[in-house]
Amino acid sequence: GDSVTQTEGPVTLSEGTSLTVNCSYETKQYPTLFWYVQYPGEGPQLLFKVPKANEKGSNRGFEATYNKEATSFHLQKASVQESDSAVYYCALGENQGGRALIFGTGTTVSVSP
Amino acid sequence: EAAVTQSPRNKVTVTGGNVTLSCRQTNSHNYMYWYRQDTGHGLRLIHYSYGAGNLQIGDVPDGYKATRTTQEDFFLLLELASPSQTSLYFCASSAGTEVFFGKGTRLTVV
Repeated sequence: GDSVTQTEGPVTLSEGTSLTVNCSYETKQYPTLFWYVQYPGEGPQLLFKVPKANEKGSNRGFEATYNKEATSFHLQKASVQESDSAVYYCALGENQGGRALIFGTGTTVSVSP
Repeated sequence: EAAVTQSPRNKVTVTGGNVTLSCRQTNSHNYMYWYRQDTGHGLRLIHYSYGAGNLQIGDVPDGYKATRTTQEDFFLLLELASPSQTSLYFCASSAGTEVFFGKGTRLTVV
């Protein structure tokens, strides 16, 4: 079945350094790929999504490229801030919609000032 | 702004107890979902629904029932709660692609 594998955390960084959270997926479909972010005390919220292979998504300085050949969707940010401390989830969803997203196990990112 | 409201936000019950978690969405979305979130497992789908009266089984359904009474309301029922069901539960809704989550219900079974 479909699955998502991402960097095991926690990942600890200093402000101003770069972040990469790896995400790999398995599916026989042509999914939309998502990154969700979850702040303490909140539910996950969409960071951005990319519906088509070889395209890039971005939001709030984060970006990821949908690499169909490598089946990867790695999250990157060039310079993190303390406010980026959160849990990040990679997810895939069928373009037909409806069936729930399949999430990775989440990566906790902690940024110290 | 899409809105999914869960109640209660926190609940403590005893082993063998009966618990109902409630969820209401005001997004006019057809799809609603119940997930549990546990360290090391991420978000796991328990049950989901396409609309009022519809129920679909998710990936970890054992020990849980669910009921969708209206387009807005989706309930998760634990009829004989066990300590293994101690978790953070999220309800979510979707029109087909992006999923919108509530703030979660923390359930502790002692």
